Amino acid sequence: AQTVTQSQPEMSVQEAETVTLSCTYDTSESDYYLFWYKQPPSRQMILVIRQEAYKQQNATENRFSVNFQKAAKSFSLKISDSQLGDAAMYFCAYTGGATNKLIFGTGTLLAVQP
Amino acid sequence: DVKVTQSSRYLVKRTGEKVFLECVQDMDHENMFWYRQDPGLGLRLIYFSYDVKMKEKGDIPEGYSVSREKKERFSLILESASTNQTSMYLCASTLARRIYGYTFGSGTRLTVV
Repeated sequence: AQTVTQSQPEMSVQEAETVTLSCTYDTSESDYYLFWYKQPPSRQMILVIRQEAYKQQNATENRFSVNFQKAAKSFSLKISDSQLGDAAMYFCAYTGGATNKLIFGTGTLLAVQP
Repeated sequence: DVKVTQSSRYLVKRTGEKVFLECVQDMDHENMFWYRQDPGLGLRLIYFSYDVKMKEKGDIPEGYSVSREKKERFSLILESASTNQTSMYLCASTLARRIYGYTFGSGTRLTVV
């Protein structure tokens, strides 16, 4: 069965610094997608970044980038120049194979210190 | 922008009541999902639907049922609410081509007393 693991329940970063959130996953599929979602206190889940497994190039969206290591089944999120508005719960998620199910990790709560 | 609308932001129900949580999306998405979110457990899939009148069980379907009579609407039903169903419920939808991502509603915080 596919699983997603986020081993950091909480993290903290200083404003303007860089932080990396870890995510590992387990799958036997060759065709899959990975996502990072942000959930601020408003509870709205916001898609931060996505990665297609067949693409070797790491996805980047402004200050957000991923380090996708397919062989190691690792998908970490790097946030550069952290801002107060980045404070939120971050979820790593996977979908793959014939099913459309989106499987989530347990989340990492990120605090940004001024 | 795709919108996924959940009918209630907060809901308080009594044990044993039948509870309906409604979700509507406005972009013709084929797939719709109901998740439950609990601290330390992340989001867990209750049920999903890939077409009208079609449904599949997720990881924690016990105590829940669903209905999808129209493409845009996906309802979660708690047949007889219990206190252990107190939780945050999130609805999501996506096109069949999943790379476009999943769009979520803003959640319903259900308290069963």
